Amino acid sequence: SQQGEEDPQALSIQEGENATMNCSYKTSINNLQWYRQNSGRGLVHLILIRSNEREKHSGRLRVTLDTSKKSSSLLITASRAADTASYFCATDARGGADGLTFGKGTHLIIQP
Amino acid sequence: SAVISQKPSRDICQRGTSLTIQCQVDSQVTMMFWYRQQPGQSLTLIATANQGSEATYESGFVIDKFPISRPNLTFSTLTVSNMSPEDSSIYLCSVESGARETQYFGPGTRLLVL
Repeated sequence: SQQGEEDPQALSIQEGENATMNCSYKTSINNLQWYRQNSGRGLVHLILIRSNEREKHSGRLRVTLDTSKKSSSLLITASRAADTASYFCATDARGGADGLTFGKGTHLIIQP
Repeated sequence: SAVISQKPSRDICQRGTSLTIQCQVDSQVTMMFWYRQQPGQSLTLIATANQGSEATYESGFVIDKFPISRPNLTFSTLTVSNMSPEDSSIYLCSVESGARETQYFGPGTRLLVL
């Protein structure tokens, strides 16, 4: 079953603005990851944050993790039209060698 | 990162037929995974395929409907059997990263069942 829940389900902002997406999960995790999917194609791994980390940066991406609230957020700063995509969080609640449990995703649209 | 290819990239099939999807990786990997993404939905894990052993299926997925082969460390197939329109989805394979923390995904196979 899907344990990750993203909100908002859809987000439309102007180019240059920041976009924030949130994800909640239900069980204990080893790590949480964010993926991007363009137009129903394969997923691209963006960033991983471990359960003992609280914040992580990668370029224009900033991820936070609050294990007490079982939630994470993904911030994309200075958005670009090319950032238009669906963004999914995924957890490996059952250990590193198992498959991932994905959230429902946020569809982000960057208006030029 | 691993380079993963899938064949076919898309197909339109008739109800009651079967389709075998291939997944090829450019390096040897222990674990391969198959996911389904129904229209407008997120990804759901179908099964985990290890080389040399039977695939492990998630709740709601059975071997008769989704038989999987894993003949070597770089290749796997997923068959969608006796298809119905409800099987229309994107099917994606993935592999573990070297650090076994993340997964790399193939481009997906877009299936439409009429």
